[in-house]
Amino acid sequence: AQTVTQSQPEMSVQEAETVTLSCTYDTSESNYYLFWYKQPPSRQMILVIRQEAYKQQNATENRFSVNFQKAAKSFSLKISDSQLGDTAMYFCALNLRTGTASKLTFGTGTRLQVTL
Amino acid sequence: EAQVTQNPRYLITVTGKKLTVTCSQNMNHEYMSWYRQDPGLGLRQIYYSMNVEVTDKGDVPEGYKVSRKEKRNFPLILESPSPNQTSLYFCASIQGTEQFFGPGTRLTVL
Repeated sequence: AQTVTQSQPEMSVQEAETVTLSCTYDTSESNYYLFWYKQPPSRQMILVIRQEAYKQQNATENRFSVNFQKAAKSFSLKISDSQLGDTAMYFCALNLRTGTASKLTFGTGTRLQVTL
Repeated sequence: EAQVTQNPRYLITVTGKKLTVTCSQNMNHEYMSWYRQDPGLGLRQIYYSMNVEVTDKGDVPEGYKVSRKEKRNFPLILESPSPNQTSLYFCASIQGTEQFFGPGTRLTVL
């Protein structure tokens, strides 16, 4: 069975600073995808960034980037130039594709507060 | 506009009173899924469907039923709700590895 662990229940960062959210995972599969989702107070689940396991290059989306360490099974999210709108719950997730099934396993989340 | 809709968005009910949460997508996706979100536990998969009339259990299926009679709809049925099913529920429509989430349904069972 696959697991996803987020060891930081809460974090705080000042506006314009950089923050890194940690995520580790465990799976015996070699073909998988990793995601970071943002959940603001509106509760909507918003995809922030995705990483294919077979790609060595770390994914980047504007101010968001990941540090994907496959051997260590680590997938951290770095938010640069933090903005008040980044205040949200962030979930790390692992997606496995086996045959026709697509299973998404989530971590427990990290609540990020961006302060002035 | 591509979207996933859920109804109702909020529901307060009592123990044992059957209820259905509807989920509909307009993207012609074959794969759909239901999750529940609880504090400190993240999102956990309840049931998923790979196509019409094809469903399977996720990680926490106890107390829930689903049906998939047409591709666009995937309702979640609680035949006898209990207080431990108080949660935030998300439906998702899936294309490849990308999940399109509905807005969520906040359910309270008294």
